Amino acid sequence: EPEVTQTPSHQVTQMGQEVILRCVPISNHLYFYWYRQILGQKVEFLVSFYNNEISEKSEIFDDQFSVERPDGSNFTLKIRSTKLEDSAMYFCASSEFLHNEKLFFGSGTQLSVL
Amino acid sequence: GENVEQHPSTLSVQEGDSAVIKCTYSDSASNYFPWYKQELGKGPQLIIDIRSNVGEKKDQRIAVTLNKTAKHFSLHITETQPEDSAVYFCAAGAGSYQLTFGKGTKLSVIP
Repeated sequence: EPEVTQTPSHQVTQMGQEVILRCVPISNHLYFYWYRQILGQKVEFLVSFYNNEISEKSEIFDDQFSVERPDGSNFTLKIRSTKLEDSAMYFCASSEFLHNEKLFFGSGTQLSVL
Repeated sequence: GENVEQHPSTLSVQEGDSAVIKCTYSDSASNYFPWYKQELGKGPQLIIDIRSNVGEKKDQRIAVTLNKTAKHFSLHITETQPEDSAVYFCAAGAGSYQLTFGKGTKLSVIP
């Protein structure tokens, strides 16, 4: 069964450092997303991406965040200068035809900012 | 924006019993309501979803009901099994804007 894959599974970084989280969405999917989940809290939307541009973003997705689809398969989330409060599980997701429907999630990258 | 409330936060049932998780939403424009199951160390997995033009949908032991007037929807799991133990999230959204998730319900099925 096709799945969304994310690397690394765990990332530890120092405050102020840049991190790049990587995702390979399901190959025939058209829409890509990043969500995050702070420990014990709800899953929160960050950004959606379609046709090589951002479709929608939340208040969390400020100038420190950026997304890119550098080639035909990868989808990345960059945090330019990490803060302690960026510590969370980051999930990549993709959907085939419909924006914001039938999302398939990856297993996540646990980001710890020290 | 949309606000989704989910209850209960924890639920314990005996194996074989039914489990019901309830969610309410605030934005009448929401027309898509998925339910996700999250097992430890994994990402949320879509288990069932419903659109606002349908009142009920069933898939084997899982069913979802939607009351548009009252803005609430529920997940029903019958004949629960230990492997149903997980955190369940409801969500609401529309094609034009992102999914908003509830806070989750930790379901424990006791053998």
